[in-house]
Amino acid sequence: NAGVTQTPKFQVLKTGQSMTLQCAQDMNHNSMYWYRQDPGMGLRLIYYSASEGTTDKGEVPNGYNVSRLNKREFSLRLESAAPSQTSVYFCASKAGRATDTQYFGPGTRLTVL
Amino acid sequence: QKEVEQDPGPLSVPEGAIVSLNCTYSNSAFQYFMWYRQYSRKGPELLMYTYSSGNKEDGRFTAQVDKSSKYISLFIRDSQPSDSATYLCAMSAENSGGSNYKLTFGKGTLLTVNP
Repeated sequence: NAGVTQTPKFQVLKTGQSMTLQCAQDMNHNSMYWYRQDPGMGLRLIYYSASEGTTDKGEVPNGYNVSRLNKREFSLRLESAAPSQTSVYFCASKAGRATDTQYFGPGTRLTVL
Repeated sequence: QKEVEQDPGPLSVPEGAIVSLNCTYSNSAFQYFMWYRQYSRKGPELLMYTYSSGNKEDGRFTAQVDKSSKYISLFIRDSQPSDSATYLCAMSAENSGGSNYKLTFGKGTLLTVNP
C-alpha cells in the first residue's frame, strides 16, 4: 500500500515550457486535491476533484489545468510555465466525508527559470 | 481578513518545554479541526483531529478547540528534538455545496526543539 505517489520528484523548466505532474493513490479514495506550497503562503488549493468525473477550481487555479483520469489518478498540467509557478506541489486524497483524513503525497519541487 | 490565521513563528524551545501553537479563524461554518505535522522536504501528515469544542489528548499532544472564540490550539508536552517540524492547522465545514471536500490551512508554524 503506497498511499499517494507523485512523479516527478524534481523538475526544472524554462519559461513557456509545459509539463504534467502525475498523482496516483491506491486507497480507493473518492476525493483528490492539488496544492502548492510557497514560503510564507502556506498550502493553497489549486484544483480538486470531489469524485471521479468532477473537478473544481480552488484558491489559485490560474495557469493550471487538471484531469481526473480515473478514480486513482489526478494530473496537474502547466501549459506555459512561468517563474511565478516555481513552488512545491502536493497531491492529496481522502475518502470523501468531511471527517475523513486527507493524505498527502511526498511533493514535486518545480523550478521555472 | 484571512479565513485562518496562524503565527508562522519561527518558534525555538529547549527540549522538555511545553509548546503552544495556535490558530484563529473567522468562518463559523468550520466544524472539523485538524493539526498536520510537516517535516522538512516531506508532505504533511495528520497529527490530531477533532470536531467538538474542548480538549482531545493523544500522548504528549493535546488539541483544544474553542468554537465560541474561533480559536484552536495544539499543546506539546515534554517536547523532543524529533518534534522539530512545521505544524499546520486545517479546518473544514459541513457539506454545503461540496465545501466539506476542502480543507483550509493556516500558513504553518516552524518549531525547533533544541537538545
